[in-house]
Amino acid sequence: EAGVAQSPRYKIIEKRQSVAFWCNPISGHATLYWYQQILGQGPKLLIQFQNNGVVDDSQLPKDRFSAERLKGVDSTLKIQPAKLEDSAVYLCASSQKGSYNSPLHFGNGTRLTVT
Amino acid sequence: TQLLEQSPQFLSIQEGENLTVYCNSSSVFSSLQWYRQEPGEGPVLLVTVVTGGEVKKLKRLTFQFGDARKDSSLHITAAQPGDTGLYLCAGLQSGNTGKLIFGQGTTLQVKP
Repeated sequence: EAGVAQSPRYKIIEKRQSVAFWCNPISGHATLYWYQQILGQGPKLLIQFQNNGVVDDSQLPKDRFSAERLKGVDSTLKIQPAKLEDSAVYLCASSQKGSYNSPLHFGNGTRLTVT
Repeated sequence: TQLLEQSPQFLSIQEGENLTVYCNSSSVFSSLQWYRQEPGEGPVLLVTVVTGGEVKKLKRLTFQFGDARKDSSLHITAAQPGDTGLYLCAGLQSGNTGKLIFGQGTTLQVKP
């Protein structure tokens, strides 16, 4: 079974620029999550999709972050414009079912550095 | 906001030593998960504990969920260099819309 695929692995941008991350979940997984992990901290949920609908985006800074999962499969997360404090690893995860009782499978993340 | 506090934050030990990592909260969780994350990779689920007082073993790793479901511990016996990594606990809030709350992690280094 192929795991969760994320790209790019690394990205360096200047503040005020825009950036996009891509995630392809495990085949058949209905739920997709985007997490932000700042160095030295645990992952923080940004947004949760169930198929192509948003379940939870309460912690997504909507003035600069956006995410979509148009066909209910792969997803993109965009930051525009980026700030220095957005430097972090952005992790995508997927699970079979809609509740957290179904195990989460994480990708290897995209490390973003904003200078 | 429910918080999960992990301790210690950093631990550096010699191969063969035993260690315990703690995950504490003032809130009750319906279940608690433990993950290990290696540099450059995503977290990998090790175990889920659901019942208060539950103990689960995974080779040299022993996981315990507190009786009141507010805390958990991870004990590693005879640590090996391959155990090196970031250990994360994550608590599942109760209810249909419960979220998974992660602790800040414990970085473990096991020196040969």
